[in-house]
Amino acid sequence: GENVEQHPSTLSVQEGDSAVIKCTYSDSASNYFPWYKQELGKRPQLIIDIRSNVGEKKDQRIAVTLNKTAKHFSLHITETQPEDSAVYFCAASWAGGATNKLIFGTGTLLAVQP
Amino acid sequence: NAGVTQTPKFQVLKTGQSMTLQCAQDMNHEYMSWYRQDPGMGLRLIHYSVGAGITDQGEVPNGYNVSRSTTEDFPLRLLSAAPSQTSVYFCASTGTGRYEQYFGPGTRLTVT
Repeated sequence: GENVEQHPSTLSVQEGDSAVIKCTYSDSASNYFPWYKQELGKRPQLIIDIRSNVGEKKDQRIAVTLNKTAKHFSLHITETQPEDSAVYFCAASWAGGATNKLIFGTGTLLAVQP
Repeated sequence: NAGVTQTPKFQVLKTGQSMTLQCAQDMNHEYMSWYRQDPGMGLRLIHYSVGAGITDQGEVPNGYNVSRSTTEDFPLRLLSAAPSQTSVYFCASTGTGRYEQYFGPGTRLTVT
C-alpha cells in the first residue's frame, strides 16, 4: 500500500523568510497530492493540491511542486507570516471515480518567529 | 449547507464500554471516511465508504465497525473501547469525481 514520508518534523523560520516542506510517496499509481494546514484544536484545512499531470501549482504565497519520477512533492511558503504557524500535512492518493483514500504524512510543525 | 458534522465533540469512556461516533454530511457526497489522529503519527485511515451499503477497511480498522445505510450518515462504532483508542477522530467526505476531502470538526475520545 501507499506510504508517505514527510520532512522535517519541525521547522522554525523568521517572519518574511521562506519555508519548504518535503514529502515522498511509494505508490507510483498515486495521482492526487493535497496539503493540509491544521491549527491547534481545529480540523485539517486544504490549502493547495496538485494532480499528477501537473508539475507545479501556485496560489499567492504558497506553491507545490511534484516530481513523479522521483516520487516526491514539496510545499513552498514565501514571505512567511506569524499566522502561517501551524502543523502542515501532505497526503497522497489514487483518486478516481468514487474513491479517494488519502494516506497522510506525519506532519510538520511550522513556527514563524516575529 | 452545514458541511460535515460530528457528534459528540468530546467523550470519555471506560475500558470495555461501547459507543458510536456520529458523522453526517449534507453535500450528497458518495465517498466518506474516518481517520484517527495521534500525536506524531498524522491522520490514519480507519474505514471508508464509496456509497450507501458499501464499506471497506483502511490502514487501522481493528476495533472499529462501520455501516452506511444512507448517503448522509457514516457512523463509527467502538464495540469494546481500549486505552489505545484514545485519539481524535475525524470524518471526511468527497463528491464523486471530485478530489477535495471536507473534514468534520472532530471528536476527542479518551478511554480510561
